[in-house]
Amino acid sequence: DTAVSQTPKYLVTQMGNDKSIKCEQNLGHDTMYWYKQDSKKFLKIMFSYNNKELIINETVPNRFSPKSPDKAHLNLHINSLELGDSAVYFCASSPYQGANEKLFFGSGTQLSVL
Amino acid sequence: DQQVKQNSPSLSVQEGRISILNCDYTNSMFDYFLWYKKYPAEGPTFLISISSIKDKNEDGRFTVFLNKSAKHLSLHIVPSQPGDSAVYFCAANMGGGSNYKLTFGKGTLLTVNP
Repeated sequence: DTAVSQTPKYLVTQMGNDKSIKCEQNLGHDTMYWYKQDSKKFLKIMFSYNNKELIINETVPNRFSPKSPDKAHLNLHINSLELGDSAVYFCASSPYQGANEKLFFGSGTQLSVL
Repeated sequence: DQQVKQNSPSLSVQEGRISILNCDYTNSMFDYFLWYKKYPAEGPTFLISISSIKDKNEDGRFTVFLNKSAKHLSLHIVPSQPGDSAVYFCAANMGGGSNYKLTFGKGTLLTVNP
């Protein structure tokens, strides 16, 4: 039973399209995150939500819009996809804000924009 | 701006020997450091951490050493096992670990040969 699950695992799409990545955690955690691993392999935080409330937005283009319908879900919608958006996107959760040792990551979504 | 640097993209060791993975940081405000481990097609998982008030933390086969004056930390794995083959990410934050914005390095791929 996967703790943090994200779908799809692979996403190949054309420039200009709009796509969504879904994330769900069944750990009862309060905080959820989106991280991006770019071509240089750095893992960088994009967003963090605590109990459905946005607490971190790391100067991500506003084409990226996270949505948290409840504390178990944090979806990522991307408008007008660009080549530079190609990356692996990881969803994560933690019991509370600042629980860095208790970050549970999903297995990632590899996004390829052609 | 690479605040956390892992200058060795890969490391290969023999089973039973010691693996030493290195990490350097530039931000003197960092006061909490973590290592995450990642297998292919999976998300990173927490391995071990250290606070800046310590210079060593040990957990079974894994030991992390911190040299604050050199802004350097290292992860020692003794003895290394084939199952340790993975990418190891060094991460750091400030605020005693309560800050929820981890800064990650690019990772080092460890291969342990039987």
